[in-house]
Order: sequence, then structure tokens, then C-alpha cells
Amino acid sequence: EAQVTQNPRYLITVTGKKLTVTCSQNMNHEYMSWYRQDPGLGLRQIYYSMNVEVTDKGDVPEGYKVSRKEKRNFPLILESPSPNQTSLYFCASRRIGVEQYFGPGTRLTVT
Amino acid sequence: AQSVTQLDSHVSVSEGTPVLLRCNYSSSYSPSLFWYVQHPNKGLQLLLKYTSAATLVKGINGFEAEFKKSETSFHLTKPSAHMSDAAEYFCVVSDRGWAAGNKLTFGGGTRVLVKP
Repeated sequence: EAQVTQNPRYLITVTGKKLTVTCSQNMNHEYMSWYRQDPGLGLRQIYYSMNVEVTDKGDVPEGYKVSRKEKRNFPLILESPSPNQTSLYFCASRRIGVEQYFGPGTRLTVT
Repeated sequence: AQSVTQLDSHVSVSEGTPVLLRCNYSSSYSPSLFWYVQHPNKGLQLLLKYTSAATLVKGINGFEAEFKKSETSFHLTKPSAHMSDAAEYFCVVSDRGWAAGNKLTFGGGTRVLVKP
């Protein structure tokens, strides 16, 4: 089944404790993105990648890092999480000319 | 730069009546436009997309949207609401060329309530 998977689905952590949210797609898509969803703001793009080793900032990249060492994986790294990064995070992937497929979401709470 | 404004944050309709969700966009180039739906505690699902072909776009579950360049609008409609349509809907624009770019800008969302 074609899908985008994210882990973990739920995470509660404390300020400053490094964490990684994994994202994987099995569709051989070139493009992958990370978004955060906050009430009333829709989804805002954090980072995106157009292929292996090619990444760029989205609208709200501060406090986040990404890497794209393999085509199927695009982890999101929070080196020192803060409470304002409490949000619902979505990973997405697509091929050129095809709509974006979204993962199920990761709900992160930083206390 | 591109932006999207969803004119209603909440819409309440009775089952069996029409649904209208309004979306205005701003784009420097010829835009691609999308509507996504998000059911409670679920991910996002594509309802329909406009990518410079027919201006009236039909999607899944009886939804359709009309691209009006002169009004910079892409409103979503459905003739008869069903209880299962209760969800949040997002209008999305991409103006760096759908094939070339990956920049999507989301509207703030419209939450639809369907009353029996």
C-alpha cells in the first residue's frame, strides 16, 4: 500500500531534550516536506526536500533541522525543543505533477 | 509571493442543504489550487485540484470547485451536505509551477458542522 508513515504518532517531552520525528514514504517520490499545523493558521511548511541531499527552508524553519540521506526518509530534528514548538506535525511526499500525500501526523507536546 | 484566505473559519449547514466554502488567493504566477479535507484526528486527503485545465473541477464525494481568475477565487461547493462531510477543509495554492516547485501555502481552514 502506498503510504507516508511517521513515528512517533504522539510525543510528550521537556524543553531542551533533543528529539527526532521520522518520516518514510514507499512511493519513490522526489519531493518531501514537513509542515506544522496550528489552530487558525492552517499548515505551514517547515522544510522541504527536492531530492537526496537537497533541502531548503520553508516558512517557519527556526528551531528545526532536516536531512535527506535516502530518498525514502526525511527525518525532522528538534535539537532543543521549546514549548512554542508544541504542535501537530505532518510529513508529505509527492512526485512531479502528482498531488501531495500526507502522513497521519505527529502530535508533539513540549513542557 | 502567494497567499490564501479562507473567508469563513466555521460554516454550519443542515444535512441535505448546499455547502459553500469560500477561498481567495493571491499568486504571482499561474497558480495551481487544491482543496484538502481533514476529518477529526485524521491526516489530510485531497478533494480536488486545479492545474490550468478546465476551470470547473470535480472532486471526490460530490465536491466541486470553480477557478475564477478575474475574482482570484476558488470556492468549494457541494449540492447536498452529508453528515460525513463534517470536517476541516483547507484551500491550498502553489504558484511556482506545479511541476517545478514544492511550495504549498495553506489557508487557515474552514471547519464544517453538519446538523441533522
